[in-house]
Amino acid sequence: AQTVTQSQPEMSVQEAETVTLSCTYDTSENNYYLFWYKQPPSRQMILVIRQEAYKQQNATENRFSVNFQKAAKSFSLKISDSQLGDTAMYFCAFMKREYGNKLVFGAGTILRVKS
Amino acid sequence: SAVISQKPSRDICQRGTSLTIQCQVDSQVTMMFWYRQQPGQSLTLIATANQGSEATYESGFVIDKFPISRPNLTFSTLTVSNMSPEDSSIYLCSVRDTSGNTIYFGEGSWLTVV
Repeated sequence: AQTVTQSQPEMSVQEAETVTLSCTYDTSENNYYLFWYKQPPSRQMILVIRQEAYKQQNATENRFSVNFQKAAKSFSLKISDSQLGDTAMYFCAFMKREYGNKLVFGAGTILRVKS
Repeated sequence: SAVISQKPSRDICQRGTSLTIQCQVDSQVTMMFWYRQQPGQSLTLIATANQGSEATYESGFVIDKFPISRPNLTFSTLTVSNMSPEDSSIYLCSVRDTSGNTIYFGEGSWLTVV
């Protein structure tokens, strides 16, 4: 079974600065996807970024980028130029590539952006 | 990406009653899922809603407590039966997109049982 670990329950960062959220996972699979989801106080789960394990290049989406280290089973999220609207719970998640498989979530990291 | 609508968005329910949550997707999708998020916790998969057949439940979840229907490729319902305060949670519908490699979520239904 797959497991996802987020070791930072809470983080804080000053507006405009950069912050990195950590995620490690355990799997025997070779083909899979990794995700970061954001859950603001509205409770909506918003997809932030997705990484395909067979791609070596790290995914980026505007101010969000990942550092994907497949051998180390590490998948960290870097948020640059942090904004107040980035305040949210962030979940790391794993999904096997085979069709029909579910998301396995980490416990989440609360990120607070301070002005 | 798929647009997913859930109803109700929020409700306060009496102990012992049942509530049905609806999930509507703006396009046909093969895979639909229902998740539960208890207060301060991460998301846990309840079941996979299968079109035209019985849902596939995860360990710890049973059909009598969480009956699920999926009459077509764009709609599903989750019923939370005989509710107790422990059922107070956010219930989220999600779908796997047609490319098969991303899962999107609805806005969630926040239930409080009193």
